[in-house]
Amino acid sequence: EAQVTQNPRYLITVTGKKLTVTCSQNMNHEYMSWYRQDPGLGLRQIYYSMNVEVTDKGDVPEGYKVSRKEKRNFPLILESPSPNQTSLYFCASSLAGGWDEQFFGPGTRLTVL
Amino acid sequence: QKEVEQNSGPLSVPEGAIASLNCTYSDRGSQSFFWYRQYSGKSPELIMSIYSNGDKEDGRFTAQLNKASQYVSLLIRDSQPSDSATYLCAVNILSSARQLTFGSGTQLTVLP
Repeated sequence: EAQVTQNPRYLITVTGKKLTVTCSQNMNHEYMSWYRQDPGLGLRQIYYSMNVEVTDKGDVPEGYKVSRKEKRNFPLILESPSPNQTSLYFCASSLAGGWDEQFFGPGTRLTVL
Repeated sequence: QKEVEQNSGPLSVPEGAIASLNCTYSDRGSQSFFWYRQYSGKSPELIMSIYSNGDKEDGRFTAQLNKASQYVSLLIRDSQPSDSATYLCAVNILSSARQLTFGSGTQLTVLP
């Protein structure tokens, strides 16, 4: 089954404790991205990657890191989480970036205390 | 001005009616336009894409694009309670061609 998976689905952590949210896709997509979704603000892009070892900032990259060492994986790293990073996070992949249908993962609900 | 704006709603329509959702965008050079549906607690899923001016129909859904006026709309005919969801407009902004910019969404409720 073609899908995007994320782990964990739910995470409660404390300020400053480094965490990683994993994202994996099995569709051989070149493009992967991370979004955060907050009430009233819609989906905002954090980082995206056009291919292995190619990443770029989205609209709200501060406080986040990403890496793309393999085509299928695109982890999101919060090295020192803060309460304002409490949000719902979605990973997405597509064949051709912003011109194409995005396939979303199930989401990760993160709470930073 | 936000790059992609939607009526925040919420929008309520009776079952069987036509629901009309609107979206405007700021970048005149935008090329790709999408409507995603998101049920509460779920991830967004694509329902329509449109790339050229005019109407595009798929079942009960019709997307309309007017590049001169910089708006894209979604009509849902014969609305069903199962259509109750948040509808997200997404636009591939030319200035950031690799990115997709989303509106904040319109919450639709179809009343039985």
